[in-house]
Amino acid sequence: AQKVTQAQTEISVVEKEDVTLDCVYETRDTTYYLFWYKQPPSGELVFLIRRNSFDEQNEISGRYSWNFQKSTSSFNFTITASQVVDSAVYFCALSEAPLYRPAIQGAQKLVFGQGTRLTINP
Amino acid sequence: EPEVTQTPSHQVTQMGQEVILRCVPISNHLYFYWYRQILGQKVEFLVSFYNNEISEKSEIFDDQFSVERPDGSNFTLKIRSTKLEDSAMYFCASSDRPLAGGNNEQFFGPGTRLTVL
Repeated sequence: AQKVTQAQTEISVVEKEDVTLDCVYETRDTTYYLFWYKQPPSGELVFLIRRNSFDEQNEISGRYSWNFQKSTSSFNFTITASQVVDSAVYFCALSEAPLYRPAIQGAQKLVFGQGTRLTINP
Repeated sequence: EPEVTQTPSHQVTQMGQEVILRCVPISNHLYFYWYRQILGQKVEFLVSFYNNEISEKSEIFDDQFSVERPDGSNFTLKIRSTKLEDSAMYFCASSDRPLAGGNNEQFFGPGTRLTVL
C-alpha cells in the first residue's frame, strides 16, 4: 500500500531563515512519482514539483530545492531565505505508475501526506 | 492559461439533502478526479474517471456518491443524502494523456467548500 508521512505537523520560523520540510513515502511499485503541493490560506492546491522514481537528481527552482533519496524513501523540500508569503500548508504526495495497467495508466490517484503548516514570521 | 473551474465555491445544505458539485476540467484532458479535504486534514482521493467510467474509487466513495460526465465539458460529483461528516472541501482535478515517462500532472480546481448542517 502507498503511504506518505510528513512527520512535521507545524513549523514556525523567522523570515529569511532556511527551512526543510520532510517527506517519507512507502510504495511497493518500482515506478512512481512524487509531488509537492502548496496550499495557501485561500485554500487552492498549487503544484510545485513532480519527480519520477528514476530521477534522483536534486532540483532547484529559485529559493526552492528538493532532495530525493530513494535509499531512505525521502523527498524533502527546502526553502531558503524564507519569506512571509511562503506561509502555507505544504503537502507531499505519491502517485504510482503501474505499467501493467495500460488501459487506465493515466488515471493515477495521488496519495497525500498529512501536510506541514509552515508559518514564516516577520 | 487553461484551468479547472468548480462551482459553486461554497455550498451549504441540510443533512439528508442531495448536492451536486460541478467541475469543468481542462478541455483536452482525458482523466478526471475528485478529492476531499476535511478541514485541517489531508487531501484524500475519492474517485478517478476515464473513458466514461470509474477507473478507481476509494473506500470513502460509497453508494451515496456518484460521478458523471453529462456532456463534453462538465464533470459532476453527486452526494445523494448528505451527512454531517461530508462537510469538507471537494477538489476536482484533471490530467492529460501520460507522458512517455508514464505519468501526467493533475491540475486542481479551486475547490468547493461543502457545509452540511
